[in-house]
Amino acid sequence: DAKTTQPNSMESNEEEPVHLPCNHSTISGTDYIHWYRQLPSQGPEYVIHGLTSNVNNRMASLAIAEDRKSSTLILHRATLRDAAVYYCILHGSSNTGKLIFGQGTTLQVKP
Amino acid sequence: GAVVSQHPSWVICKSGTSVKIECRSLDFQATTMFWYRQFPKQSLMLMATSNEGSKATYEQGVEKDKFLINHASLTLSTLTVTSAHPEDSSFYICSARDRPGVYEQYFGPGTRLTVT
Repeated sequence: DAKTTQPNSMESNEEEPVHLPCNHSTISGTDYIHWYRQLPSQGPEYVIHGLTSNVNNRMASLAIAEDRKSSTLILHRATLRDAAVYYCILHGSSNTGKLIFGQGTTLQVKP
Repeated sequence: GAVVSQHPSWVICKSGTSVKIECRSLDFQATTMFWYRQFPKQSLMLMATSNEGSKATYEQGVEKDKFLINHASLTLSTLTVTSAHPEDSSFYICSARDRPGVYEQYFGPGTRLTVT
């Protein structure tokens, strides 16, 4: 699976939108882009995933660049409970289920 | 969504003893479960893939004789850390999918192991 690059940390104010970037310049055509987040002392939680088109769900939106070499996770209104480490992970069409976690982005949300 | 539980949530053991950690899928059947380890301030590292009814598949560098995995039923996988040492102290997390081929995975809450 191709590698992803994320900023180590980001800050946001409560109730403001947050855009978390992820670069994946070596992504293959069959790699899906997944986002998980991990709250302190908990197991990770699925957020969203996509292949080519932008995706929306109740938690977030995923904007995928046209060349698929980058993507952005969008939290529309950050809350204090959104403070977590956000992981951007590529997973191929073989879909073994194995997730390889990078270092992720630690999001701090200020009241 | 589907729920994965782990037991115990934390455990302290003495060096040289063995510890068993359970991972259960509460409302779905999981033919495959995954075990991860996470050291403080670090990311999750995949240890092994647990397959119901067959041997686990270990990632490179993970000692299969030290980390014994048993997946005896469709709802239970266990990880036994044998002859534990202080360097095995870590946060152990399991995950599962509720259907083969889907991308969303459900993670357990983790088990904090401290070896003294």
